[in-house]
Amino acid sequence: QLQLQESGPGLVKPSETLSLTCTVSGGSISSSSYYWGWIRQPPGKGLEWIGSIFYSGSTYYNPSLKSRVTISVDTSKNQFSLKLSSVTAADTAVYYCARLVIDPNYYMDVWGKGTTVTVSS
Amino acid sequence: DIQMTQSPSSLSASVGDRVTITCRASQGISNYLAWYQQKPGKVPKLLIYAASTLQSGVPSRFGGSGSGTDFTLTISSLQPEDVATYYCQKYNSAPQTFGQGTKVEIK
Repeated sequence: QLQLQESGPGLVKPSETLSLTCTVSGGSISSSSYYWGWIRQPPGKGLEWIGSIFYSGSTYYNPSLKSRVTISVDTSKNQFSLKLSSVTAADTAVYYCARLVIDPNYYMDVWGKGTTVTVSS
Repeated sequence: DIQMTQSPSSLSASVGDRVTITCRASQGISNYLAWYQQKPGKVPKLLIYAASTLQSGVPSRFGGSGSGTDFTLTISSLQPEDVATYYCQKYNSAPQTFGQGTKVEIK
């Protein structure tokens, strides 16, 4: 059974870079049938798609965050990662990683449990 | 960017009621629409994709319809375990925008 697990610091200082990793278990990240993505949810608010990556390294990002976001993949470790630079309090959220089914476009069928990131000095 | 608007923002219904949630896209998205259920304090769960295809394991009381700009999620007989916030999401192209959510409660 496929599982995704987010990991990374729970507290990040303003202006610094948020870094998270998603470890995929029970399946290969190198499948041609899926993209892998990040979604976030600020406290008490709705869901926001951040960006997604294919195992080859092909990425696409939310234009509203594109200037600050980098998503990368490490197939040898079955992991993909998120970096969000110049964070502010508005980036405080639960961050989820997810698998996206290519059908032919991409919806999220498996989600990680999420990790809370707080931006504060 | 295409905007996704859900209505209502919240609703309260009795157990056994038929519940309908609407999602409207600001431009046509064919049938590239998914619905997710998020129970309080839990992870979002995929209910429906391709506007009307039920994800494996999802109870048959959930149904989806629509194409183009107007979509509907229906719960044919509301159960206590259906208390949650429901989100639509377009995935025809980036950005994969979510609706603002509809909170469903039991009356």
